Amino acid sequence: AQKITQTQPGMFVQEKEAVTLDCTYDTSDPSYGLFWYKQPSSGEMIFLIYQGSYDQQNATEGRYSLNFQKARKSANLVISASQLGDSAMYFCAMRGILTGGGNKLTFGTGTQLKVEL
Amino acid sequence: NAGVTQTPKFQVLKTGQSMTLQCAQDMNHEYMSWYRQDPGMGLRLIHYSVGAGITDQGEVPNGYNVSRSTTEDFPLRLLSAAPSQTSVYFCASRPTGFHQPQHFGDGTRLSIL
Repeated sequence: AQKITQTQPGMFVQEKEAVTLDCTYDTSDPSYGLFWYKQPSSGEMIFLIYQGSYDQQNATEGRYSLNFQKARKSANLVISASQLGDSAMYFCAMRGILTGGGNKLTFGTGTQLKVEL
Repeated sequence: NAGVTQTPKFQVLKTGQSMTLQCAQDMNHEYMSWYRQDPGMGLRLIHYSVGAGITDQGEVPNGYNVSRSTTEDFPLRLLSAAPSQTSVYFCASRPTGFHQPQHFGDGTRLSIL
C-alpha cells in the first residue's frame, strides 16, 4: 500500500515570500514518482512538478521546486516569490511502479495556501 | 486541443436513479482514470484503464461501473445512486511513461438527494 500525508491543512504566506508545503509518503515499491498538483477555487487540477525516486537532482519548474529527501520519505514543495494567484489547494500524490501496475495515483488530503498582501 | 472533456458539469439525482458520467480525451492517451473528491479526503481512485478493453478497480469501486470500448472514451456509470456518492468526480488521462502526469478534466459536481 502507498500513503501520502500532508499535515498542514492551511498555510498563510506574504506576497513575494517563499513557502514550503510539506509532504511525506510511505510505500514499499522500489521505484516511484511524486507529483504536485494545484487546485484553484475554480476547481481544475493543474500539474506542477514531478520527482522520480531515482532522479539525482531535485526537480525544479519555474518558481516551483521540490525538496526531495528520500531517506526521510519527504517531498516538500517550495514556492518562491509567492503571488496572489498562488492561493489554492495543493495536493501531493505518488505512483509506485508495482502498485496497480504503476497506474494507481494516491493523493494526500491537501494544503490550502493563502497568499496575503 | 480540448484535452479531457467531462459532461455534465453539474447533476442532481434522486436516490436509486442511475446515470452515466461521460469522459472523452483527444490526446490518444492509453491510460484513463476516474477519481472522486470529497472534503478533507483528497482525490480517491475509483476505476482506471490501461487501454481499450482493459479496466481495473481502484480504492473505492463499489457502486460504480466502467467500460473502455475506445481509446477516447471512458464513461463512469452509477448503477443505483446513493447519497454517499455525492461528490465531485474527475476524469484523467495520461500518456505512456511512468513519469507522465495525469491530465484532468474540469470535474462533474454530483448531488444525490
